[in-house]
Amino acid sequence: AQSVSQHNHHVILSEAASLELGCNYSYGGTVNLFWYVQYPGQHLQLLLKYFSGDPLVKGIKGFEAEFIKSKFSFNLRKPSVQWSDTAEYFCAVVGSSNTGKLIFGQGTTLQVKP
Amino acid sequence: EAGVTQFPSHSVIEKGQTVTLRCDPISGHDNLYWYRRVMGKEIKFLLHFVKESKQDESGMPNNRFLAERTGGTYSTLKVQPAELEDSGVYFCASSQHMVDTIYFGEGSWLTVV
Repeated sequence: AQSVSQHNHHVILSEAASLELGCNYSYGGTVNLFWYVQYPGQHLQLLLKYFSGDPLVKGIKGFEAEFIKSKFSFNLRKPSVQWSDTAEYFCAVVGSSNTGKLIFGQGTTLQVKP
Repeated sequence: EAGVTQFPSHSVIEKGQTVTLRCDPISGHDNLYWYRRVMGKEIKFLLHFVKESKQDESGMPNNRFLAERTGGTYSTLKVQPAELEDSGVYFCASSQHMVDTIYFGEGSWLTVV
């Protein structure tokens, strides 16, 4: 069955710490990958996406993610987090020949302490 | 450019009642999606419209849920009769093309008591 697994449900970091959120997926075929973020009281926003090309993807607000096909992974990273990065982060996958039927991970809540 | 808007933002209804959620996609987006997040669970796909046609409704949980998109503009999702397990956040999203960035609304929080 198609699925997405996010390794950490809740992460607490201090400002300036480095961040890596794990995401693994199970999908039989070519995929497009996304990271979305939901800040408190706001809608889901796209952080970054991978469709093809360079597997290291740069997103907004200093985030990046690396697609490792052999590991079925798409981990999210940021070298130095800020208090404003406190949010819930979602990894999602869709088959590249599929419609917008995104399959989401469970979400990771990031709390950054000032 | 206006984003995806949803109404109401919050709704509390009694078991057995009916609720209708509305979604206005981004102007010009032919693709409209409904997703749901039940407490503590992942966000799950419900269905996908292309204009006014249902492209994929494989995620609809049962026949108490009815989605429409008359005229290919806004969409409604009706739950009738509501059950306790229907409580959660209902997200609407839209995209210009099928394989494209999907933009989400803020969600409609539904609580069934």
